[in-house]
Amino acid sequence: QKEVEQNSGPLSVPEGAIASLNCTYSDRGSQSFFWYRQYSGKSPELIMSIYSNGDKEDGRFTAQLNKASQYVSLLIRDSQPSDSATYLCAVNKGTSNTGKLIFGQGTTLQVKP
Amino acid sequence: DAGVIQSPRHEVTEMGQEVTLRCKPISGHNSLFWYRQTMMRGLELLIYFNNNVPIDDSGMPEDRFSAKMPNASFSTLKIQPSEPRDSAVYFCASSLRMDIAGGKETQYFGPGTRLLVL
Repeated sequence: QKEVEQNSGPLSVPEGAIASLNCTYSDRGSQSFFWYRQYSGKSPELIMSIYSNGDKEDGRFTAQLNKASQYVSLLIRDSQPSDSATYLCAVNKGTSNTGKLIFGQGTTLQVKP
Repeated sequence: DAGVIQSPRHEVTEMGQEVTLRCKPISGHNSLFWYRQTMMRGLELLIYFNNNVPIDDSGMPEDRFSAKMPNASFSTLKIQPSEPRDSAVYFCASSLRMDIAGGKETQYFGPGTRLLVL
């Protein structure tokens, strides 16, 4: 079992729809969770972080965390073609919160006009 | 303010040659990370430093890889000798760790070095 798992996609949604990206992790001691966006040929860029169970909203983005189910998700409302990218889920490994991140393989999102 | 700077941006070399990748973290940041990204394996952490000290190098694939951070503003990742399977994009990232616990800080990635070993 991979430490951080994501569906590679591609996930295709029409412009204006809600895109739902999912991530599961294996280390129950993980404390911090991040979503990075990576455009083709570019470097990853942080878009959301979440540390507590529940929802965290920032503009069109909502991160959801369920530690009991070891599940993190990212919702993108009113999806735009500019949201087309690969979304990487990252988990801080272990209870020591040392800053070490484990990344999932990423989910490719395609938003069609 | 300048972000993370990496050089070179592209490197093409022949198998057996030594390759040195360079990174300048964001000024004031105290943690530095080296990652490798390939289609097959995704984004993998190779090594990370805190206050110039290597903390975890468990991701370094083998003895051919070495990394140093002689001061707070410079780090190198060296591959000697290089092999075709080392072809990948190598990212350097930095962050500001504010407390002992850490773990919540944002990592800022450089533009990456695209390495091709023939």
